[in-house]
Amino acid sequence: DVKVTQSSRYLVKRTGEKVFLECVQDMDHENMFWYRQDPGLGLRLIYFSYDVKMKEKGDIPEGYSVSREKKERFSLILESASTNQTSMYLCASTNHQGYEQYFGPGTRLTVT
Amino acid sequence: QKEVEQNSGPLSVPEGAIASLNCTYSDRGSQSFFWYRQYSGKSPELIMFIYSNGDKEDGRFTAQLNKASQYVSLLIRDSQPSDSATYLCAVNANDYKLSFGAGTTVTVRA
Repeated sequence: DVKVTQSSRYLVKRTGEKVFLECVQDMDHENMFWYRQDPGLGLRLIYFSYDVKMKEKGDIPEGYSVSREKKERFSLILESASTNQTSMYLCASTNHQGYEQYFGPGTRLTVT
Repeated sequence: QKEVEQNSGPLSVPEGAIASLNCTYSDRGSQSFFWYRQYSGKSPELIMFIYSNGDKEDGRFTAQLNKASQYVSLLIRDSQPSDSATYLCAVNANDYKLSFGAGTTVTVRA
């Protein structure tokens, strides 16, 4: 079974803090994704990576950056957290042959 | 216009009935179509995928695809209370990115 893990299930941060969300997958997948999910808006892609050190912007990259130094790990960084970044953050991965994405358990981030 | 549209629901069905969920998409070049189930407070889990026109069955689930009409649906037969969840339709637009609908919430009444 594919296993995607995320560093925290719940996180509370203050406005202006730098926030790191980490995602690790154990299936040697090439592609990794970060989404945020908000009620009524569905899943929106923030960034994705198709290889180590490679990244592409998704639909809503503003206020976020990412890092992929190792194949199994994909980090999402909020440089200066703001209250409108309060959301559920989901990481996903897939291999280069398939499009079925497998999700981690999610991190519910609250910025106060 | 949203790329992937679903009725938000809630869709309420009695136990044992068929739940029918619909999804339309705007990109005619889309090739791969997915249905995810998401329980409250949990992450989405893949339950079905379909690439070709027609029907694909897996247990109590049937996915139907009509590329000419840009329409994909999910049927849940013999609905159970454990099927109560939000169902997300996802479409492969290009590369490895998926576009998701906002989801349809299904409630199965015992």
